[in-house]
Amino acid sequence: EVQLLESGGGLVQPGGSLRLSCAASGFTFSNYAMTWVRQAPGKGLECVSAISGSGENTNYATSVRGRFTISRDNSKNTLYLQMNGLSPEDSAVYYCARCSGTLSGYYFASWGQGTLVTASS
Amino acid sequence: DIQMTQSPSTLSASVGDRVTITCRASQSISSWLAWYQQKPGKAPKLLIYKASSLESGVPSRFSGSGSGTEFTLTISSLQPDDFATYYCQKYNTYPYTFGQGTKLEIK
Repeated sequence: EVQLLESGGGLVQPGGSLRLSCAASGFTFSNYAMTWVRQAPGKGLECVSAISGSGENTNYATSVRGRFTISRDNSKNTLYLQMNGLSPEDSAVYYCARCSGTLSGYYFASWGQGTLVTASS
Repeated sequence: DIQMTQSPSTLSASVGDRVTITCRASQSISSWLAWYQQKPGKAPKLLIYKASSLESGVPSRFSGSGSGTEFTLTISSLQPDDFATYYCQKYNTYPYTFGQGTKLEIK
């Protein structure tokens, strides 16, 4: 059974940093691209970043490019999202998800339970 | 970037009804479209991928159709468990943009 468990969320002051982690189990982690999707309170879904199985290829939403860094440690079956320069607009539940599809593009068949990030003074 | 627009934003229906949600892309995305169901406080759940392929374990009352720029999600006979918010997502290229969501409410 695929399991994804996020951690690292919390309350941070505007301008601060957080690192989210997503521990994966139940599948061969290095064979799958992974993504972070966020959802602000009462709002829709935004795919903020994705990374290939090897970690060589990454993508970022315009809203986070230059501030967020996605990475992975395939030896630890763990996905990360380093978030710097946080603003109140980054406050959201952050989900990690396993990507399915082709090299052209991915949909998300398995999701974690989410971790809440709040940037507020 | 390609924009995804869902309609309606809110839909009121009764158990047993047949309902259809529409998703339009601002440019052609071929069949690279997925549909998700989300309940309050829960992660989204994949229902449909590649516009019309049913994810394993999803009830057959859910179906998807369309290609190019116009897509539909149909629930053939609403069940109490189906009242939720539904999102489409395009995935031909990054960014993998979602529609704004359609909230399906009990009439």
